Amino acid sequence: GAGVSQSPSNKVTEKGKDVELRCDPISGHTALYWYRQSLGQGLEFLIYFQGNSAPDKSGLPSDRFSAERTGGSVSTLTIQRTQQEDSAVYLCASSLGQSGNQPQHFGDGTRLSIL
Amino acid sequence: AQSVTQPDIHITVSEGASLELRCNYSYGATPYLFWYVQSPGQGLQLLLKYFSGDTLVQGIKGFEAEFKRSQSSFNLRKPSVHWSDAAEYFCAVAASGGSYIPTFGRGTSLIVHP
Repeated sequence: GAGVSQSPSNKVTEKGKDVELRCDPISGHTALYWYRQSLGQGLEFLIYFQGNSAPDKSGLPSDRFSAERTGGSVSTLTIQRTQQEDSAVYLCASSLGQSGNQPQHFGDGTRLSIL
Repeated sequence: AQSVTQPDIHITVSEGASLELRCNYSYGATPYLFWYVQSPGQGLQLLLKYFSGDTLVQGIKGFEAEFKRSQSSFNLRKPSVHWSDAAEYFCAVAASGGSYIPTFGRGTSLIVHP
């Protein structure tokens, strides 16, 4: 079956522009996660959705970052007024439920480059 | 809150040699433990997981991991490494109660020499 799909796969934009990243989770997966992976770094947790609600936004680095999820499915991560330090790979993952024993299924990520 | 440490940033092995990647966790009870692999330009793929029961778990691609409660470790092993195993490996820990957001280690980069 289809896995987690992210688009675009690559995005290059100028500093100060807004960007929108999209994630299509596996059908039926109620939990959705966004992570940021900088070069040579591990995964930095950004936000988690259970259904359309985001019970944990603690990882969002600043108020320039926001995310939403609609219909319990597609999620978008928006970065406003991008800065060069926002350059990273943004990974989305989904899981069947919110329990800690549910493995995450990852998309291939969006590589964001801020010029 | 849980935490996980992967003490080795890079590991270099020769093809055909055995492999062990280290992972240590911190959590007050028995955690849920995972190993993921990331090939260049791709997302993370689950190799194996431990929830309870037999402390030696088998995964895909010939990998196995052993949960050792006394050492708070969940090391990943493979008896004979193939060149295609070169990738980034991440250990993750999730709480068995409370927060269900896994915590990932910083990763270990595996380099395989022919």
